[in-house]
Parts: sequence; structure tokens; C-alpha cells
Amino acid sequence: ETGVTQTPRHLVMGMTNKKSLKCEQHLGHNAMYWYKQSAKKPLELMFVYNFKEQTENNSVPSRFSPECPNSSHLFLHLHTLQPEDSALYLCASSQIQDSYNEQFFGPGTRLTVL
Amino acid sequence: AQSVTQLGSHVSVSEGALVLLRCNYSSSVPPYLFWYVQYPNQGLQLLLKYTSAATLVKGINGFEAEFKKSETSFHLTKPSAHMSDAAEYFCAVSDRGDEKLTFGTGTRLTIIP
Repeated sequence: ETGVTQTPRHLVMGMTNKKSLKCEQHLGHNAMYWYKQSAKKPLELMFVYNFKEQTENNSVPSRFSPECPNSSHLFLHLHTLQPEDSALYLCASSQIQDSYNEQFFGPGTRLTVL
Repeated sequence: AQSVTQLGSHVSVSEGALVLLRCNYSSSVPPYLFWYVQYPNQGLQLLLKYTSAATLVKGINGFEAEFKKSETSFHLTKPSAHMSDAAEYFCAVSDRGDEKLTFGTGTRLTIIP
């Protein structure tokens, strides 16, 4: 595997389900990100992990719970979601020590909440 | 705080014609600027980036962008559109040393045969 991978690619869940999204980066980067991409809206940054420490939580509801066990893996745990949470969830990684922050994106997980 | 405005949520050009996608930014410090492309059912791929070297930046697939400080713009161009250029394009800005990117709302490019 190369780059940034995300699983599953598609997920349909009910409002009472609990599921997790997984992201893995194979680039040796030290920062990882979760974004939400909804139709007709800018990409919304949800969480940032820098050297495994959460450095940003962009007012995300508690029904989204991130986990970063090491610098290569990032999870997004989902529970009691709402239909408006249906979106494409993108993971990205970058090397913070670079003078600029070039982020590399995974293919995304298309989430549908029924 | 920085922000990005992309004028035109949809742009259509004929195959072989000039592509021009507009991006204006605001930033309190000299910015880094990026253009990303997203093909259907895929993540974002970096097209090019401005990091304070040359103001005319060349990217992949024949795209280029010019940083104009006086106009606070970073428009994306390609001299001759190809059918494979049909995608959504995002402009993004970050302040130097900031781990966060701020994205525009995107421009969907359609190529007319």
C-alpha cells in the first residue's frame, strides 16, 4: 500500500449503530487530519493530530470520536449519528516539519446515515 | 485568519479552450497557496503549490497558477482543456507554520466535447 488509505470506502448505518472509520498513511508523516465534505459546502476540518496529540477539535459534536494510536493510524468512531452527518469523510496526512503544509489525502469514506 | 474565495462554482469550457479557475485569498501573513483536484469518488490530489519562490507555479497535467500579491489572487490556468480535466478543483491557503489548510468551496469544471 502506498499513500493514504481509508476503509471502508462506503458505509451505510442507522442512527443507533456504532461504527469506525480507519485511515492509514504510508508516508512517514507526523500529522493526520479528518475532514468532512458535504455537498455545496467547503471542506470542514474536524480534527488534527500532530505527533499523535490532538491539536484541533473544530467544534465537532461528541458523536464523532477520533483516536490516533500511532502516527500512521487514525480512526473516527461514530455513534448515534444523524442523517445530516451523511457526507464524504476524508483523511489526510502531512509532515509538519516542512516549511509548508502539503497534505496528502485518502480516497474517502462515503457515509450514509439512515 | 485566512480565507479563500473561488468565483464560479461551475465552469464549462470547450475541449482545447483555455481553462481559467479563479481564486482569491485573504491572509494576515504571507501565505502558502495550493490547488487540489478531486476526480469523482476519489480524494484530493495536489496540482500545484506556491511557497514564496517563483510567482508563476507549474503543476501536473499542464496546469499553472500565478501568485499576484497586489490582487490577492492565485488563479489556475491551462492553455488547452482536455476531457480528462473534468473534475472539481479546490483552492486552499495556509499561514506559514500553520498545520491547517483553509479550503474554498470548489469549482466544478466541465469539458464540452
